[in-house]
Amino acid sequence: ETGVTQTPRHLVMGMTNKKSLKCEQHLGHNAMYWYKQSAKKPLELMFVYSLEERVENNSVPSRFSPECPNSSHLFLHLHTLQPEDSALYLCASSQDGGWGNIQYFGAGTRLSVL
Amino acid sequence: GENVEQHPSTLSVQEGDSAVIKCTYSDSASNYFPWYKQELGKRPQLIIDIRSNVGEKKDQRIAVTLNKTAKHFSLHITETQPEDSAVYFCAASIMNTGTASKLTFGTGTRLQVTL
Repeated sequence: ETGVTQTPRHLVMGMTNKKSLKCEQHLGHNAMYWYKQSAKKPLELMFVYSLEERVENNSVPSRFSPECPNSSHLFLHLHTLQPEDSALYLCASSQDGGWGNIQYFGAGTRLSVL
Repeated sequence: GENVEQHPSTLSVQEGDSAVIKCTYSDSASNYFPWYKQELGKRPQLIIDIRSNVGEKKDQRIAVTLNKTAKHFSLHITETQPEDSAVYFCAASIMNTGTASKLTFGTGTRLQVTL
């Protein structure tokens, strides 16, 4: 256990549903990330939060909406998703402010959009 | 932006042999290069990293080399064991103090160590 917990581990949703993914880190880190991992593709960075402010949004469709209420929690709100959004969504955290900002990953949420 | 290419996409070696995975990057400003290992159904975990001020780093059976001029870096695993079987990802980043680290990942290499 690396101290980054994601829930749920698996999620099946229809294209008209609204759901949220949750990430919690117990490492005292000040930066959190959302990644999308699809088959045969590199890990794609979606959002970065540093000190609870969004500092990166990699041209992610508006049907994905992140929220970072505090430095320990990160959410990804989902609505009107498409089948191609089916993937493993990984959360990570790191402690910024110096060299070697190692990112620690959660176990991911396996999302299937029907 | 940064672009990272990784080869090969799959690699099969016999137990005890060495494995080498290579990555190239495009942004000469990148200065931090971690390697992650992801076992089937599990989270990616950092196994080794290297900064641009060194050319090589070793940790037991794992080593990473960096050629800044050519903009490529490699992961070397010696005396491979079945538990080394996993997907390995390289990444590149520009590390600055006080900013969040934005890693650009390669596409991954699936390593299979056979008995």
